[in-house]
Amino acid sequence: RKEVEQDPGPFNVPEGATVAFNCTYSNSASQSFFWYRQDCRKEPKLLMSVYSSGNEDGRFTAQLNRASQYISLLIRDSKLSDSATYLCVVENTGNQFYFGTGTSLTVIP
Amino acid sequence: ETGVTQSPTHLIKTRGQQVTLRCSSQSGHNTVSWYQQALGQGPQFIFQYYREEENGRGNFPPRFSGLQFPNYSSELNVNALELDDSALYLCASSHASGRPDTQYFGPGTRLTVL
Repeated sequence: RKEVEQDPGPFNVPEGATVAFNCTYSNSASQSFFWYRQDCRKEPKLLMSVYSSGNEDGRFTAQLNRASQYISLLIRDSKLSDSATYLCVVENTGNQFYFGTGTSLTVIP
Repeated sequence: ETGVTQSPTHLIKTRGQQVTLRCSSQSGHNTVSWYQQALGQGPQFIFQYYREEENGRGNFPPRFSGLQFPNYSSELNVNALELDDSALYLCASSHASGRPDTQYFGPGTRLTVL
């Protein structure tokens, strides 16, 4: 079983839509959780950390459910510039970091 | 820009050859992590170096090895190249614990093995 699993999509949504991405992880001892964004043929860039209490950064909201080993990212009022691949990242013990396969988002005018 | 640089940008090798990829960390960072990203996949953790010592390793065979130098620049070496080694190789530098929220990625080296 993969350490981190994501629906690869693609998600094609109109501008202004709300879209949600989900991610599950297999190691219950995982310590830290993040969402990264990767544009085509570019390096990944940190979007936001994910905390147990949930956290919000503008139009982006991240949630963590440790009991279900589930992470989510919600994007409200989608912009064209949100088109990218969104990667779920889990840190296990021993400084080992695992990325999901990524979920592709295209925002359509 | 993150201040992390990688060289070369692109590289073509044949099966069985050896390759060395280089990474220059952001100033002040003492930790570097290397990842392999195959087409259509997320980055896969290869290993991490902290103050010149390996500090964590993913599920990669021993023919993937690394070095970190006193100036915290780093090399990834891959011996006996296989076709499946074709991928984008990313390095990420960070400070102290190497938590992802402080990792800064370089632009990557795209390796093609023929």
